[in-house]
Parts: sequence; structure tokens; C-alpha cells
Amino acid sequence: KQEVTQIPAALSVPEGENLVLNCSFTDSAIYNLQWFRQDPGKGLTSLLLIQSSQREQTSGRLNASLDKSSGRSTLYIAASQPGDSATYLCAVLVSNFGNEKLTFGTGTRLTIIP
Amino acid sequence: GAGVSQSPRYKVAKRGQDVALRCDPISGHVSLFWYQQALGQGPEFLTYFQNEAQLDKSGLPSDRFFAERPEGSVSTLKIQRTQQEDSAVYLCASSLITRSGEQFFGPGTRLTVL
Repeated sequence: KQEVTQIPAALSVPEGENLVLNCSFTDSAIYNLQWFRQDPGKGLTSLLLIQSSQREQTSGRLNASLDKSSGRSTLYIAASQPGDSATYLCAVLVSNFGNEKLTFGTGTRLTIIP
Repeated sequence: GAGVSQSPRYKVAKRGQDVALRCDPISGHVSLFWYQQALGQGPEFLTYFQNEAQLDKSGLPSDRFFAERPEGSVSTLKIQRTQQEDSAVYLCASSLITRSGEQFFGPGTRLTVL
């Protein structure tokens, strides 16, 4: 059974710092990995999608990397801003045929201190 | 364009009542997913539709949970005889294509069972 772990569970950093969020998964046979952000009381906003054949994806100040063989992904946020405060979730799609469901980690709650 | 919408946004039910939660996916999206998110946890998969066909319902926690998507567009998640442990946020997601499709989430319905 695929298990996804995110460390740390919570993180507070001063505004302007660069930071890294970690995600690990137990079954390396994934089809893709997706990073989301979730604001309190809201749904999930997709940030980046990395296919299993890719090593990284970038969008603005965000960069996500994927090392499938070691079961790890990182989300790098450059020059953090207070608006980045949210919970960040990673999710993997396993590659079994017919399986479409995402398996999520429990998230990292990020607070950017002005 | 319009994203995934869900209604109601909040629902309070007395234990034993039946509830129906609605999801309007992005127009033209083939795949539709329901997830359940308990407080402080990541979302957990409930069920998946490809057009009108329910291809995976392995995540439904009991036979009190039932989902349908009769015309391959709008979907309804029904919970019969609600219990306190059903209290959670119910998230709907859709994707344009099957396999490797990026999933887009709605704002969720927060269900509280008293």
C-alpha cells in the first residue's frame, strides 16, 4: 500500500527566506506526483504536476523535484512571502492500470512571518 | 473559466439523517473523484468516475455511502443514516483525461454531524 509522508508537519520562517518542503513515498512505481496548497477552509489549488519521467517542474518562485528511485520529492519556495502561508500537500498517482486515485500526505503547514 | 463547484459549502445534519452533496466538474472533464478529508489530515480517496461509469469505489467507508454521475457530468455523493464519524470535508475533483491528468479540486463541503 502506498504511503506518503511529509516532513516537517509545520514550519515557520521569516519573510524573504528560501525554504524546502519534503515529501516521501513508499512505492516508487508512481505515474505522477502533484503538489497542492490548501488555505484554511478552502479546497486544494494545484501548484505543480511532475510526470514520472520528469525530474523537476518550475512555476514562478516554485520548483518541485522528483527522485522516483529514492521515493522523494521536494518543493522549493524562493523568496517567501506572507501570502505563501498555507498547508502544502503532496500526492502521488500509482501506476497500476485502472488506478486513478491520488494518495496524499498529511501536509506541511507553512507560516511566513512578516 | 469556471472551476469545480460544490454545494452546499456547509451542511449540518443530525445523526441518522440522510445528506446529498453535489459536485459540478469543469465542463468536458472526463474523470471525477470524491475525497474525504478529516481535520488535520490529507484527503483520502472515496470513489472515481470515468464519464458515467463508476470504475472504483474501493474507498467508500461503508454501504451508507453512495455516489452517482448519471449523465457523466454532475455527481452526487449521498450518505445515509449519518454518523458523527462522517463529519469531514468532502472534496470533489475532476480531470480532463484519464491517466496522468492533473486533478482540479472544488472548495469542498464541510459536513458536521451532531
